[in-house]
Amino acid sequence: AQSVSQHNHHVILSEAASLELGCNYSYGGTVNLFWYVQYPGQHLQLLLKYFSGDPLVKGIKGFEAEFIKSKFSFNLRKPSVQWSDTAEYFCAVTPSNDYKLSFGAGTTVTVRA
Amino acid sequence: GAGVSQSPSNKVTEKGKDVELRCDPISGHTALYWYRQSLGQGLEFLIYFQGNSAPDKSGLPSDRFSAERTGGSVSTLTIQRTQQEDSAVYLCASTLMGLMGTGELFFGEGSRLTVL
Repeated sequence: AQSVSQHNHHVILSEAASLELGCNYSYGGTVNLFWYVQYPGQHLQLLLKYFSGDPLVKGIKGFEAEFIKSKFSFNLRKPSVQWSDTAEYFCAVTPSNDYKLSFGAGTTVTVRA
Repeated sequence: GAGVSQSPSNKVTEKGKDVELRCDPISGHTALYWYRQSLGQGLEFLIYFQGNSAPDKSGLPSDRFSAERTGGSVSTLTIQRTQQEDSAVYLCASTLMGLMGTGELFFGEGSRLTVL
């Protein structure tokens, strides 16, 4: 079974700082990769996804993620965070042509104004 | 409805009681998932429905847990003889055809269960 590791449990930043959240997965085959975000008091929603093609994917709100197959990684980045980016971020993976989405433990990001 | 609806949003129960959690997926979504989110943990997969069938129940923690889906729509997760370790947020998600389609799960706001 695949597993997903998120390196940081809690990240605290100031506004305008750059953000990078690490995500590694363990699965030897082809995968589909996702980042989901949960803003305070809201439901989980999709931030971005990678199925195939350009390994650098862009999502909503200025976020991007890079798939590095050789490193089994799918790190999330944002060049300049805003206070409104305060949220919990989850990396998720599923083998291609599978239905089960496995999530990491999540990273809480706190952005100080 | 516009989104995935879950009820109750909050449930406090005594150890040993049974609870039912309900999920109304987005209309037309054939795939439905239940996950459990415990404090400091990721989302733990519980069960997956395609239509009314559950091809994968492997995530259900014990035989105290069961789930059904009727009419290809509403799903109910039942926990019998609740234990304190069942305390968590239970999340329901739906998607149009499954992850091989758009790849996006639409989540409800969850049902927070507290077992005293």
